[in-house]
Amino acid sequence: AQSVTQLDSHVSVSEGTPVLLRCNYSSSYSPSLFWYVQHPNKGLQLLLKYTSAATLVKGINGFEAEFKKSETSFHLTKPSAHMSDAAEYFCVVSEGFGNEKLTFGTGTRLTIIP
Amino acid sequence: DSGVTQTPKHLITATGQRVTLRCSPRSGDLSVYWYQQSLDQGLQFLIQYYNGEERAKGNILERFSAQQFPDLHSELNLSSLELGDSALYFCASSPSGLMNWRNTEAFFGQGTRLTVV
Repeated sequence: AQSVTQLDSHVSVSEGTPVLLRCNYSSSYSPSLFWYVQHPNKGLQLLLKYTSAATLVKGINGFEAEFKKSETSFHLTKPSAHMSDAAEYFCVVSEGFGNEKLTFGTGTRLTIIP
Repeated sequence: DSGVTQTPKHLITATGQRVTLRCSPRSGDLSVYWYQQSLDQGLQFLIQYYNGEERAKGNILERFSAQQFPDLHSELNLSSLELGDSALYFCASSPSGLMNWRNTEAFFGQGTRLTVV
């Protein structure tokens, strides 16, 4: 069975400082991993995805994530936070191989302090 | 704009009623997924259709049903509504329902906010 655990329900950072959103996953196979962002009253937008190619994945808006199999982690980072980054972030896993559904974490709400 | 269209955007209805949520996938996408987002349950996978056929089923109640039509749009039917069914319902589409996600991604609509009173 596949699952993800987002270790922080809420993260607050000051504008211009680094962002770290933590995610651990569990999967029976080599999973695909995603980060989605949801702005208030908006749909879900894909930030980046890992699909067994390079372990360091670059996404949109300056975000990147590193897949670490030994730690079963897929943490999301950004060097410098912008006010527009304030949103809910979801770590997502999909095992594939007959289990195509996306399993979402509980989300991390990112607040940017001016 | 993801290219996935959901209607209506908002829906308010009474307990015991039945509603239909509609989803138009991106042009050319064969797979449609339905998700429910509520405060207590988070984002839960309900059901997937691929090219008109049910492909996978998640935590979907028996009071809920879905279908995908020949033109690939999908409808989610919710009946005997209860207060606890109030949630944001998302539809997502992807190009295929192949056995892995390595060469594809899911595109989400803006959601339908259902309020049961």
